Amino acid sequence: QSALTQPASVSGSPGQSITISCTGTSSDVGGYNYVSWYQQHPGKAPKLMIYEVSNRPSGVSNRFSGSKSGNTASLTISGLQAEDEADYYCSSYTSSSTRIFGGGTKLTVL
Amino acid sequence: QVQLVQSGAEVKKPGASVKVSCKASGYTFTDYYMHWVRQAPGQGLEWMGRINPNSGGTDYAQKFQGRVTMTRDTSINTAYMELSRLRSDDTAVYYCAGAGSGSFDFWGQGTLVTVSS
Repeated sequence: QSALTQPASVSGSPGQSITISCTGTSSDVGGYNYVSWYQQHPGKAPKLMIYEVSNRPSGVSNRFSGSKSGNTASLTISGLQAEDEADYYCSSYTSSSTRIFGGGTKLTVL
Repeated sequence: QVQLVQSGAEVKKPGASVKVSCKASGYTFTDYYMHWVRQAPGQGLEWMGRINPNSGGTDYAQKFQGRVTMTRDTSINTAYMELSRLRSDDTAVYYCAGAGSGSFDFWGQGTLVTVSS
């Protein structure tokens, strides 16, 4: 099973908003509301930022939001800050009862 | 606080096996599935499989079927991932992650496994 498709990189200036897409199929992203997003800083473990498409765990800034349309999920970060610079990964439950990740997106804050 | 503490870095020769441990604290061990995810140097995240700490039941990614074994010891709140017949492309950081439903809610610090002759 191929990885979910994410852009390799996105960038934005402080204070701007950016959106990262995550495209799968009807057997994963499109078929279930179990899409989640992770932030990973260099040398660190990933951190859960969004679960079940659009829910934020306690302690995650409300500048982070998630959505889904069809087979594509999206992560939006508003009011970009320098500390948001990191790699971001999406993940989905699949029809085979497995999990799949996106290839990752490097966010650069200009 | 919820914490997953993994065993230390390993260096193995091709063809050998490695067993990584993941000790849980701060929550009820049997309430969360334990997943294993790996990340090769400079690459993305790759899901390997999961274990139900309650029943011991497992699901593995097809890529690792026959080479990976996930177990747990509920008496010491610890999960294990053993990968056999190691190859150089198994060099990666291996993470354990606790999952309540569809997401990986908390992660271990990672264990670097280097496969080199």
